[in-house]
Amino acid sequence: EVQLLESGGGLVQPGGSLRLSCAASEFSFSIYAMSWVRQAPGRGLEWVSAISGSGESTYYADSVKGRFTISRDNSKNTLFLQMSSLRAEDTAIYYCANYRDGYNYIIYWGQGTLVTVSS
Amino acid sequence: QSVLTQPPSVSAAPGQRVTISCSGSSSDIGKNYVSWYQQFPGTAPQLLIYDNNKRPSGIPDRFSGSKSGTSATLVITGLQTGDEADYYCGTWDSNQSAGVFGGGTKLTVL
Repeated sequence: EVQLLESGGGLVQPGGSLRLSCAASEFSFSIYAMSWVRQAPGRGLEWVSAISGSGESTYYADSVKGRFTISRDNSKNTLFLQMSSLRAEDTAIYYCANYRDGYNYIIYWGQGTLVTVSS
Repeated sequence: QSVLTQPPSVSAAPGQRVTISCSGSSSDIGKNYVSWYQQFPGTAPQLLIYDNNKRPSGIPDRFSGSKSGTSATLVITGLQTGDEADYYCGTWDSNQSAGVFGGGTKLTVL
């Protein structure tokens, strides 16, 4: 069974940094694009970032461009999201997600990790 | 970056049929496949429809999707109380090179 297990969430002060990780198992991790999707409390899904299977191509939402960096370590089947200059509006559950057929659809989602930005 | 437009809520009685619309633009829905996701409170979303109208294994045929131009539609027939959830459409925006979701639609089964 495919598993995506996020970690690294927590409470951070405005302007601070945090690094999220997502450990993937039971699928050919390096073949597929991966993504981070977030959901603020009581709000809808917001696409944050995506990365190609090789890691060569990365994409970002305007709301996080220049502050967040997505990366992956295919030797360890792990996806990362480095977040800096965090703002209150970045408070959300962050889901790790597995794309299929390029960037056509997300087939697997992690359970999410909560990031709270507050002083 | 744009958000796809969905109605905030829809409702219908058990056994009935409901449609959820998703409106986009020529650069997102107009150029790419649409997928739909179902999310129950406190849980992660799950894939419901992909490539406009395909169902993953395990999704009943009560759920169907379609796309026309820059809009897509999710149809649920034979509504059950267990279908009460939030539903999101999603696609890729080719101009922005970014993913995009609808704002979500809360389904209430009366």
